[in-house]
Amino acid sequence: GENVEQHPSTLSVQEGDSAVIKCTYSDSASNYFPWYKQELGKRPQLIIDIRSNVGEKKDQRIAVTLNKTAKHFSLHITETQPEDSAVYFCAAPIYGNNRLAFGKGNQVVVIP
Amino acid sequence: GAGVSQSPRYKVAKRGQDVALRCDPISGHVSLFWYQQALGQGPEFLTYFQNEAQLDKSGLPSDRFFAERPEGSVSTLKIQRTQQEDSAVYLCASSPRDPYEQYFGPGTRLTVT
Repeated sequence: GENVEQHPSTLSVQEGDSAVIKCTYSDSASNYFPWYKQELGKRPQLIIDIRSNVGEKKDQRIAVTLNKTAKHFSLHITETQPEDSAVYFCAAPIYGNNRLAFGKGNQVVVIP
Repeated sequence: GAGVSQSPRYKVAKRGQDVALRCDPISGHVSLFWYQQALGQGPEFLTYFQNEAQLDKSGLPSDRFFAERPEGSVSTLKIQRTQQEDSAVYLCASSPRDPYEQYFGPGTRLTVT
């Protein structure tokens, strides 16, 4: 089955700096890669996703880049703000099944 | 528009009790998923519906867990004879045509004492 791993598990950044978190997956047939943001006690919120026919996608301060050869994709947050502090989960499809496998999450802490 | 809603938001059950958790997906969403999220972990798949058909229940941890979606809209996850290890947040997600683009509800936090 699909294995999804995230690194680093915790990332602290100064407000205004950039944050980058990386997700690796194992199934080379995967073709959809979402990132979710989960604040404490709240629902996971889909913040950006990318499909395998593109290498990068941007939405204001966040971007996702995909390297299919290396089987990893990364979330980039620029000009970080305190409200970016959360746990971020990546996921990848399980080939042949209509479901996602999630990573264990990255805790991002933005220091004011 | 309205997002995915779940009720109750919190449930405390004594060990051995049965519980029923409800999910109202986004209107018109074909696919519905249930996940279990333990503290400090990512969501773990439990089961998947396409309309009223339960197409995958391979993630249900035991036969004490049962899910249904009889009319292809609202879904209920039932846990019989709850055990302490069932304590977790139970998340529901729905998606339109593409099953991978999933939108989550706020979850039900189940505590079994």
